[in-house]
Amino acid sequence: SQTIHQWPATLVQPVGSPLSLECTVEGTSNPNLYWYRQAAGRGLQLLFYSVGIGQISSEVPQNLSASRPQDRQFILSSKKLLLSDSGFYLCAWSRLAGVSSYNEQFFGPGTRLTVL
Amino acid sequence: KNQVEQSPQSLIILEGKNCTLQCNYTVSPFSNLRWYKQDTGRGPVSLTIMTFSENTKSNGRYTATLDADTKQSSLHITASQLSDSASYICVVSLMEYGNKLVFGAGTILRVKS
Repeated sequence: SQTIHQWPATLVQPVGSPLSLECTVEGTSNPNLYWYRQAAGRGLQLLFYSVGIGQISSEVPQNLSASRPQDRQFILSSKKLLLSDSGFYLCAWSRLAGVSSYNEQFFGPGTRLTVL
Repeated sequence: KNQVEQSPQSLIILEGKNCTLQCNYTVSPFSNLRWYKQDTGRGPVSLTIMTFSENTKSNGRYTATLDADTKQSSLHITASQLSDSASYICVVSLMEYGNKLVFGAGTILRVKS
C-alpha cells in the first residue's frame, strides 16, 4: 500500500531563517507530487506541483521554492522565511494518469510552520 | 476565475441529527468534484469523488450530490456522530495536465452530545 510522510510535524523558525520541509511517498512510482499551504480559515492553496524528477511548476509567486531530487521525494524550501510564510503545509501525491480519470490526491499529515 | 464557495462557514448540530453542506463552483474545464474531511491538524481525507455525469455518490453516512448544470454540490451527513466533527472541504479538479485542484474554504462542523 502507498504511504506519504512529511517531516517535521511542527516547526518554529525565526524570520529570515532558512526552511526545508520534506515529503516522501512509498509504495508507488512516478507519482504527481504537490505542495499546498493552508492558512487559518482559508482553502488550501497550491504552491507547487511536479510530474517528474526535476520538473517543478509554481502556481503563485512567493518566497518559497520546491525541488524533486528523487522520484518519490519532494522538498519545499526557503532561503529567508517571512512572517507570512506561517501556515499548515501539506504534501500530496496522485497517480500519473490521464485527465479523464478520477486521479485522486492523497495527502500527508502536514507540517505546522510558525514564523516568529 | 476558478472558484469554489462553500456554505455555511460553520455549523453546530446535535449528535444523531442530519445536516447538509453546500458547495457552488465556477471552475473550467471541470473534471470532477470531491468532498474531503479534514480533522484538525491533519491532512484531508477523501469522502467522495464524482464526475460531471454522476448525480449522487454515497460513502456510508455521507451522500454527495452534483448538479453540473447549476454547478452546485451538496454533502449530506445522516445520523451524525461526534467523530463527524471536522472541516468538510469541497474540491473541484481541473481537466488539465497535472490535475490541479481548486479548494473551497471548508465548512467547520461541530457535533455536540
